Amino acid sequence: GQQVQQSPASLVLQEGENAELQCNFSTSLNSMQWFYQRPEGSLVSLFYNPSGTKQSGRLTSTTVIKERRSSLHISSSQITDSGTYLCAMDLYGGSGNKLIFGTGTLLSVKP
Amino acid sequence: GGIITQTPKFLIGQEGQKLTLKCQQNFNHDTMYWYRQDSGKGLRLIYYSITENDLQKGDLSEGYDASREKKSSFSLTVTSAQKNEMAVFLCASSIVGNYAEQFFGPGTRLTVL
Repeated sequence: GQQVQQSPASLVLQEGENAELQCNFSTSLNSMQWFYQRPEGSLVSLFYNPSGTKQSGRLTSTTVIKERRSSLHISSSQITDSGTYLCAMDLYGGSGNKLIFGTGTLLSVKP
Repeated sequence: GGIITQTPKFLIGQEGQKLTLKCQQNFNHDTMYWYRQDSGKGLRLIYYSITENDLQKGDLSEGYDASREKKSSFSLTVTSAQKNEMAVFLCASSIVGNYAEQFFGPGTRLTVL
């Protein structure tokens, strides 16, 4: 079936270090979306990125649709960046969009 | 901007009980979704609806019913709660179209005793 491989599963950084999170998709996709999941469970949309590179502050998302991969780069990490990052591939089938999620990267940033 | 609200925030049920979760959005989005998240796993799609009174099954629809009463609201019913079940149910909405970013609500945490 359709799968999303997300890596690494967990990551520990010292404050100020950079991080690179990866997602690889098993099938052709329409677009992809990156989320930050707060400790209480709510999801914050970070990027909706069909292709190319998008930047928001210290976060950069790069999607290469032909190669079925996407990455999230976090620069100069801060303690408040700690949490779970989820990627999802967006499959549009004419009757609605379906997101297929990876299992997430648990990021811990230490002082 | 808009907001998605989910009620209740916490839901405790008994084995075999029918339980209903509610979702409201004021984005004026056409499409709404229900996802389930189990501990340590990614979200999985249960049901979605692309317009009022429409229902489409996701990958995890068995054991659930859904109802899209009006454009702004989408309900999910657990038809028979399973003992020791614990999960978070997340509602989302988006526009209809080829490129449609999904926005999520805060979730409902289910515990079945």
